[in-house]
Amino acid sequence: NAGVMQNPRHLVRRRGQEARLRCSPMKGHSHVYWYRQLPEEGLKFMVYLQKENIIDESGMPKERFSAEFPKEGPSILRIQQVVRGDSAAYFCASSPPSGGFLTDTQYFGPGTRLTVL
Amino acid sequence: AQTVTQSQPEMSVQEAETVTLSCTYDTSENNYYLFWYKQPPSRQMILVIRQEAYKQQNATENRFSVNFQKAAKSFSLKISDSQLGDTAMYFCAFMKQGPRRGQGGSEKLVFGKGTKLTVNP
Repeated sequence: NAGVMQNPRHLVRRRGQEARLRCSPMKGHSHVYWYRQLPEEGLKFMVYLQKENIIDESGMPKERFSAEFPKEGPSILRIQQVVRGDSAAYFCASSPPSGGFLTDTQYFGPGTRLTVL
Repeated sequence: AQTVTQSQPEMSVQEAETVTLSCTYDTSENNYYLFWYKQPPSRQMILVIRQEAYKQQNATENRFSVNFQKAAKSFSLKISDSQLGDTAMYFCAFMKQGPRRGQGGSEKLVFGKGTKLTVNP
């Protein structure tokens, strides 16, 4: 069973460009979480999505950042007009449906390292 | 809002010895989970150990064990017989136990800033 997949692993963008980060959850998982890790910091929650729904976006910056998890295909974290401060590692995690009950288990992908020049 | 504090930015230990990493947290929740994650140089986040707040017994996973003090809001990680492969960043994390949702899922993780552990040969 393949784990959580993220691509690209490394992404370089110039200021003002757009960055698209993709996350494919583990097979059968329908819940996706995005976290950002700034240099020398812990991970910080950004957004939680289910298929076609944003459940919690309390950690997402209000401007330039958006996320989606369509019915088909991977979850996408999109950053428009990137700035140097967006340089960070972006991690995706997924959790299983768990039969309607809450689960505490999140499985992490390897992360995407975004560098803004 | 919950906060997680790791007061030791860096630690080192000799191979085969024991080391304890500290973590404190602040919450008004009564039901929650606590975790230790390991992040080696590959940057992959690896779950080391988890603890449910309602359980008084401390969790153990092979060489890894925790000292969970709910009243003091403390959750330290002990690594016994340290190995070179234990060299990594270690993050303490908190997750509240939210209300039941019909579609499952989990709550967000709140992480500390991490402790860089180096195991010396």
